Amino acid sequence: QVTLKESGPGILQPSHTLSLTCSFSGFSLSTYGMGVSWIRQPSGKGLEWLASIWWNGNTYNNPSLKSRLTVSKDTSNNQAFLKVTSVDTADTATYYCAHTLSWDVMDAWGQGASVTVSS
Amino acid sequence: DIRMTQSPASLSASLGETVNIECLASEDIYSDLAWYQQKPGKSPQLLIYNANSLQNGVPSRFSGSGSGTQYSLKINSLQSEDVATYFCQQYNNYPTFGGGTKLELK
Repeated sequence: QVTLKESGPGILQPSHTLSLTCSFSGFSLSTYGMGVSWIRQPSGKGLEWLASIWWNGNTYNNPSLKSRLTVSKDTSNNQAFLKVTSVDTADTATYYCAHTLSWDVMDAWGQGASVTVSS
Repeated sequence: DIRMTQSPASLSASLGETVNIECLASEDIYSDLAWYQQKPGKSPQLLIYNANSLQNGVPSRFSGSGSGTQYSLKINSLQSEDVATYFCQQYNNYPTFGGGTKLELK
């Protein structure tokens, strides 16, 4: 059974860097075809894909946020990470990580981590 | 980027009714389309992928269809547990989601 759980700071100040961790079980990010994606959702609004990282270390980011995003992984500890630089209030959202199949279908999601950007 | 337009934005239906939700892509996505269900306060769950393939464990009253730029999600015999917001997502290019359809009971 695949499970994922996000963790983060909860609240942070504008211009700071948001760091999120996705801890997962039931699969390995070293197995061919496996991936983890990050998606966010402002309260009451829609979903926005942010970035994905794959078993082979390849990453790709949403072009609208590309320069602000960094994704990485720690395969031995079954974790994936997302960093978002220079946050502002528009980055306030629930951030999800999701197990992703090689064709970008997200078949298992974490419970989400709420992030508020406020001074 | 490929824009996904969902309709309607919200709908109200009775138990046992059949419901259809539409998703229009801004260009041909060659059936690279998934549907997700998000119940209030919960994370999204995958229902359908490749436009018409039912994810394991999803009730058979859910079905997907479409091709090219036009896709739809059909829910037969609506149940109370189907109250949720539904999102389409294309993966022909970098992933983008529709705006969502909020389904309520009448």
